[in-house]
Amino acid sequence: GAGVSQSPRYKVAKRGQDVALRCDPISGHVSLFWYQQALGQGPEFLTYFQNEAQLDKSGLPSDRFFAERPEGSVSTLKIQRTQQEDSAVYLCASSLEGEGFRGYEQYFGPGTRLTVT
Amino acid sequence: AQKVTQAQTEISVVEKEDVTLDCVYETRDTTYYLFWYKQPPSGELVFLIRRNSFDEQNEISGRYSWNFQKSTSSFNFTITASQVVDSAVYFCALRGRSNNDMRFGAGTRLTVKP
Repeated sequence: GAGVSQSPRYKVAKRGQDVALRCDPISGHVSLFWYQQALGQGPEFLTYFQNEAQLDKSGLPSDRFFAERPEGSVSTLKIQRTQQEDSAVYLCASSLEGEGFRGYEQYFGPGTRLTVT
Repeated sequence: AQKVTQAQTEISVVEKEDVTLDCVYETRDTTYYLFWYKQPPSGELVFLIRRNSFDEQNEISGRYSWNFQKSTSSFNFTITASQVVDSAVYFCALRGRSNNDMRFGAGTRLTVKP
């Protein structure tokens, strides 16, 4: 089966523009995660969905960041009024994890590299 | 709180050398999960291994081996007879049972020279 896919792979936005980043998880994966990876750093958690429910958004850096997964499959991360500090790679991951066991591995997509000019 | 420390920022070896990547973690959870991921130049994070806190058995997979020691809160990764294709950034990660987020270390950049 296909892995996690993300689009677009690259996005250049002018400061102040809104952007939308899409994630298609592995079919059947209940859980979906978004991470932000700055250059030379490890990924940092943004938000977590279990099916369509957003269970944790504690990592979203500001109220300009918004994520949704309305049907429990595809997810979109939206950034409003982009700022230069938003420039990073945004990674999506999915896993089989559901209720109970939290230790399933996460499978990552190729990421979207966002550059805000 | 969860924390992962990968003290080695960069390592450079010559092909066929053995190399160990260190990972030290902190967590208040008694049940937790440890992971290693590889990020080659293409950028996609590739899952390598998961270890549960209640299973301290070491693991070997081909040229890769992992040494999990709860007493020192370490989960080290050894590549035997390294190859050029092993060149990548390697991340150690931790997820406590009570946490929704997976915490990554800063990564170790491994360069294997021919």
